Amino acid sequence: EPEVTQTPSHQVTQMGQEVILRCVPISNHLYFYWYRQILGQKVEFLVSFYNNEISEKSEIFDDQFSVERPDGSNFTLKIRSTKLEDSAMYFCASSEGGRGENGYTFGSGTRLTVV
Amino acid sequence: SQQGEEDPQALSIQEGENATMNCSYKTSINNLQWYRQNSGRGLVHLILIRSNEREKHSGRLRVTLDTSKKSSSLLITASRAADTASYFCATERGYQKVTFGTGTKLQVIP
Repeated sequence: EPEVTQTPSHQVTQMGQEVILRCVPISNHLYFYWYRQILGQKVEFLVSFYNNEISEKSEIFDDQFSVERPDGSNFTLKIRSTKLEDSAMYFCASSEGGRGENGYTFGSGTRLTVV
Repeated sequence: SQQGEEDPQALSIQEGENATMNCSYKTSINNLQWYRQNSGRGLVHLILIRSNEREKHSGRLRVTLDTSKKSSSLLITASRAADTASYFCATERGYQKVTFGTGTKLQVIP
């Protein structure tokens, strides 16, 4: 069964450093997303991406964050100048359609720890 | 506003019993989805029910949706130890954005 692949599975970084989280969505999916889950809390929407553009973003997704699809397969989330409160699980997801008619396929996540 | 609140927060049952989890939400939706998350792992899509549907089945899963009450339930029949996980409802209101609930932690005791 096709899956969304995320790397690395765990990233430890020093406060103030930049990190890039990588995702390979399902090949025929056109819509891509990032979500995050702070330990013990809800899964929160960050951003959606379609046709090489951000289509929607939450208030969490400020200038510290950026997304990119640098080639035909990867979808990345860059977090600049990381803060302690950025520590969370970051999930990438993809879907065929924009309304997730068949649901969203999530990756296994990257656990980001900022120290 | 809180969109997607599950109850109970935690549920412990014996293997073979049925597990029922409920989800309430506040605004109109396009669809409602249920996901499962094993501890420390990713989210697995279980089932999606559209706003014009009232009930849907998939294997041992049965989902109902009552848009007048803005609530949904997930029933897992004949539970197994492997069903132990957290279960989240997620509502889709607009385009390309899903809002997750707080989750129900289900423990199935062998």
